[in-house]
Amino acid sequence: QAVVTQEPSLTVSPGGTVTLTCGSSTGAVTSGHYPYWFQQKPGQAPRTLIFDTTNKHSWTPARFSGSLLGGKAALTLSGAQPEDEAEYYCLLSYSGARVFGGGTKLTVL
Amino acid sequence: QVQLQQWGAGLLKPSETLSLTCAVYGGSFSAYYWSWIRQPPGKGLEWIGEINHSGSTNYNPSLKSRVTISVDTSKNQFSLKVISVTAADTAVYHCARSTYGEIGPWGQGTLVTVSS
Repeated sequence: QAVVTQEPSLTVSPGGTVTLTCGSSTGAVTSGHYPYWFQQKPGQAPRTLIFDTTNKHSWTPARFSGSLLGGKAALTLSGAQPEDEAEYYCLLSYSGARVFGGGTKLTVL
Repeated sequence: QVQLQQWGAGLLKPSETLSLTCAVYGGSFSAYYWSWIRQPPGKGLEWIGEINHSGSTNYNPSLKSRVTISVDTSKNQFSLKVISVTAADTAVYHCARSTYGEIGPWGQGTLVTVSS
């Protein structure tokens, strides 16, 4: 069973830039893991922000972007807004099975 | 607009079987995979597994020995069973639609508590 790791918490200043990462215990994360990123706010269901490493939905704010960085999947937030304070989860695929990361609590302060 | 409505027992004793069902209203049932995801109180998300209309499944390897996901296409419903539950299975369980690019929409969630 693969373990997917994320930073437990990060803090970013309003207007600042922060990168969240998503690693795999099996080795480097690649596009073949089809990384997804979700945003979850308290009391709400998660919402898909990024899929297949870099792809955005129509509802994904332009300030969010996905990439592969140093063997991990990465979610970069450029120009953080107060409403971006939330929990962020990555999801990786392993030959059909999927594994969530533990989540990153992002504080905008 | 597709909507998912789920139901099932919310309080179980250790060793009992968890059983939840999710009904899909609106939209196509056969075009998607249908997922179960859980979230222990105050903790992160855990992907449990998914099924399509023909019954093809994918499971979380760590839960596979105790989990069964089934589908009833005549009712546009899919179900989750987890046997031999323990306190570690206490969580909010969500059903959700899976498609390329998105997991969503989600059901309203069911809190399942395992306690003696």
